[in-house]
Amino acid sequence: GQNIDQPTEMTATEGAIVQINCTYQTSGFNGLFWYQQHAGEAPTFLSYNVLDGLEEKGRFSSFLSRSKGYSYLLLKELQMKDSASYLCAVRLDSNYQLIWGAGTKLIIKP
Amino acid sequence: EAGVTQFPSHSVIEKGQTVTLRCDPISGHDNLYWYRRVMGKEIKFLLHFVKESKQDESGMPNNRFLAERTGGTYSTLKVQPAELEDSGVYFCASSQGLGGNEQFFGPGTRLTVL
Repeated sequence: GQNIDQPTEMTATEGAIVQINCTYQTSGFNGLFWYQQHAGEAPTFLSYNVLDGLEEKGRFSSFLSRSKGYSYLLLKELQMKDSASYLCAVRLDSNYQLIWGAGTKLIIKP
Repeated sequence: EAGVTQFPSHSVIEKGQTVTLRCDPISGHDNLYWYRRVMGKEIKFLLHFVKESKQDESGMPNNRFLAERTGGTYSTLKVQPAELEDSGVYFCASSQGLGGNEQFFGPGTRLTVL
């Protein structure tokens, strides 16, 4: 079976840094994605990792370790607008469907 | 450039009725995906079109669900007859190229079956 785990909810303070972890056990692997979803809106793409290491994009960075089945999303200089759900998804190598985690609800406090 | 659009945004129907959801992908995107999120659960893959062909429909729950993409442009997802457990948010996404890295999502259709 396919399994992706991420924390249900996290709270952080405006201006701080937060790390959202994602672990996966899947039958194949062809990339890991992070999406942001505000309530009632479409998921929007944040990052993609297929090789081990850190990918940085502005305030957001994503890390992947394929041997450990582990990824994290790092958000720096948190802003109130970063309050949203963050979804981790793995693309299987046998096809192009995405297997999704349940999402982490991030609450930013002033 | 217009994003992925979905219609309707909300639909409330009674058990046993039929509903058809529509998705218009970003122009030029050959790949079109349908996903569903049931309340409190993770997003689940339903199927993947490449142009007008079904590339992968392994996620379709049963034969009450029928997806089409005639002409390789917009797609429809029909549920007939609808059951209570079909309630949820149905997302459509599209991407460029074969399995393109970024899937662009539509706002979703919230389906409620009473």
